[in-house]
Amino acid sequence: RKEVEQDPGPFNVPEGATVAFNCTYSNSASQSFFWYRQDCRKEPKLLMSVYSSGNEDGRFTAQLNRASQYISLLIRDSKLSDSATYLCVVKGGYQKVTFGTGTKLQVIP
Amino acid sequence: NAGVTQTPKFQVLKTGQSMTLQCAQDMNHEYMSWYRQDPGMGLRLIHYSVGAGITDQGEVPNGYNVSRSTTEDFPLRLLSAAPSQTSVYFCASSDSGTGKKLFFGSGTQLSVL
Repeated sequence: RKEVEQDPGPFNVPEGATVAFNCTYSNSASQSFFWYRQDCRKEPKLLMSVYSSGNEDGRFTAQLNRASQYISLLIRDSKLSDSATYLCVVKGGYQKVTFGTGTKLQVIP
Repeated sequence: NAGVTQTPKFQVLKTGQSMTLQCAQDMNHEYMSWYRQDPGMGLRLIHYSVGAGITDQGEVPNGYNVSRSTTEDFPLRLLSAAPSQTSVYFCASSDSGTGKKLFFGSGTQLSVL
């Protein structure tokens, strides 16, 4: 089983739609969690950290479920500019960082 | 405010050639790392360092060497390039600590013929 698993997609959604991605992780000792965004093989950029209490940044909401070992990302009112690959990132022991393979989102006009 | 600077952006090598990918950060980060990204594989950790003089292997270290003589620099050396090393390489750095985010360089597209 992969340490971090994501549905590769693609998710094709119309503008204005709400879309959700999940990511599961296998190491129950994992300590911190992030969503990164990557455009066309450019460098990944931090979208948001994920906290146990859940957190929101504008149209983006992230949730962590430690009991079931998954994190989620919800995007509301999708924009064309949201089209990208979304990477789930899990930090385990001392500086051990594991990336998911990414979920591709295509927002359609 | 350079952040993480990675050079070169593109490189073509012949099988058996050696080269060094450069990575420098100006944020005084203790942690630096190298990843490669291949289609369908996500980012895989090659080597990482938690401070000057300290390096360790990641998931896919074979064929690569690193050193960390200063806090700022973390070069990646390909000793004898192979076609299997054709990939996009990213350098990243962060502060120590579990909640600290990674800052990435802009990547190197490497082709080995």
